[in-house]
Amino acid sequence: EAQVTQNPRYLITVTGKKLTVTCSQNMNHEYMSWYRQDPGLGLRQIYYSMNVEVTDKGDVPEGYKVSRKEKRNFPLILESPSPNQTSLYFCASSLSPSGSIYEQYFGPGTRLTVT
Amino acid sequence: AQSVSQHNHHVILSEAASLELGCNYSYGGTVNLFWYVQYPGQHLQLLLKYFSGDPLVKGIKGFEAEFIKSKFSFNLRKPSVQWSDTAEYFCAVNAGGSYIPTFGRGTSLIVHP
Repeated sequence: EAQVTQNPRYLITVTGKKLTVTCSQNMNHEYMSWYRQDPGLGLRQIYYSMNVEVTDKGDVPEGYKVSRKEKRNFPLILESPSPNQTSLYFCASSLSPSGSIYEQYFGPGTRLTVT
Repeated sequence: AQSVSQHNHHVILSEAASLELGCNYSYGGTVNLFWYVQYPGQHLQLLLKYFSGDPLVKGIKGFEAEFIKSKFSFNLRKPSVQWSDTAEYFCAVNAGGSYIPTFGRGTSLIVHP
């Protein structure tokens, strides 16, 4: 089954404790991205990757890191989480960013709470 | 920078009522337009998309959207909603080949049976 998976689905952590949210897709998609969803703000892109070893900042990259060592995986790293990073996070992938005509496939989401 | 406006933040309808959700964007060049739906507790999934051709686009579950270039709009419609359409709806725009899609803030639709 074609899908995007994320782990963990729920995470409660404390300020400053490094964490990683994994994302994996099995569709051989080139393009992957991370979003956060906050009430009243919709989805905002954190980082995206056009292919292996190619990543770039989205609209709200502060406080986050990503890596793309393999085509299928795109982990999101919070080196020192803060309470304002409490949010619902979605990973997404797309066949190709070329022309931007391809829709994105979203993972199930990770609800992160930082206390 | 491009922006997307969804004017209706909350919509409440009864079953069988007609639906129209507004979406306007601010970019004068070529755009690719999407509507996504997020059912309660689930991830976003594509309803429909427009990138060229017929400006009236039909999607899944009886939804359609019309691209009106002169009005910078891509409104979502459904002639008769069902209780199962209760969800959050997001309009998204990729402008000028940008790799960073812009999402609207979303419209929460509640359909009463």
